[in-house]
Amino acid sequence: KQEVTQIPAALSVPEGENLVLNCSFTDSAIYNLQWFRQDPGKGLTSLLLIQSSQREQTSGRLNASLDKSSGRSTLYIAASQPGDSATYLCAVRGLDGGSQGNLIFGKGTKLSVKP
Amino acid sequence: GAVVSQHPSRVICKSGTSVKIECRSLDFQATTMFWYRQFPKQSLMLMATSNEGSKATYEQGVEKDKFLINHASLTLSTLTVTSAHPEDSSFYICSAREQGFFNSPLHFGNGTRLTVT
Repeated sequence: KQEVTQIPAALSVPEGENLVLNCSFTDSAIYNLQWFRQDPGKGLTSLLLIQSSQREQTSGRLNASLDKSSGRSTLYIAASQPGDSATYLCAVRGLDGGSQGNLIFGKGTKLSVKP
Repeated sequence: GAVVSQHPSRVICKSGTSVKIECRSLDFQATTMFWYRQFPKQSLMLMATSNEGSKATYEQGVEKDKFLINHASLTLSTLTVTSAHPEDSSFYICSAREQGFFNSPLHFGNGTRLTVT
């Protein structure tokens, strides 16, 4: 059974710092991995999607890497801003066609960027 | 970009009543939609997979008679929480993938905060 773990559970940094969020998964047989942002009481905003054949994806100040064989992904945020404060969720999609590709989520990392 | 609209965003109901939550894909068609539930400080957990024109597939431990799912069109799925109890209070989120695009990301609604008193 796939399990997704995110470390740390919470992180507080001063504005301007570069930071890394970690995600690990137990079953490397994944279809893709997706990073989301969730603001309090809100839904999810998709940040980056990495297919299993890819190593990384970049969008603006965000860079996500994937090492499928070791079951790890990182989300790098450059020059953090207070507006980046949110919970960041990592989710993997398994190869199990029976589940129609639903996502298995980690518990998230709650990021707070102090001005 | 693809937009998923979920309504209502917040609902408070009395124990024993039923609540319907709607999930709409606004600019794409989705044969499959997913319903998740999130308890405080917990992961989003899949409840069921909603299939247009057929029965939903429920995850283990989710009562299909309590959480009724209807996916009557390619743009609308509804989740009805029947005879709600306080333990059903949670954050419910739907998601959808554009029909025919197996590789595309899931798009999520903004969620519904359900409080049962």
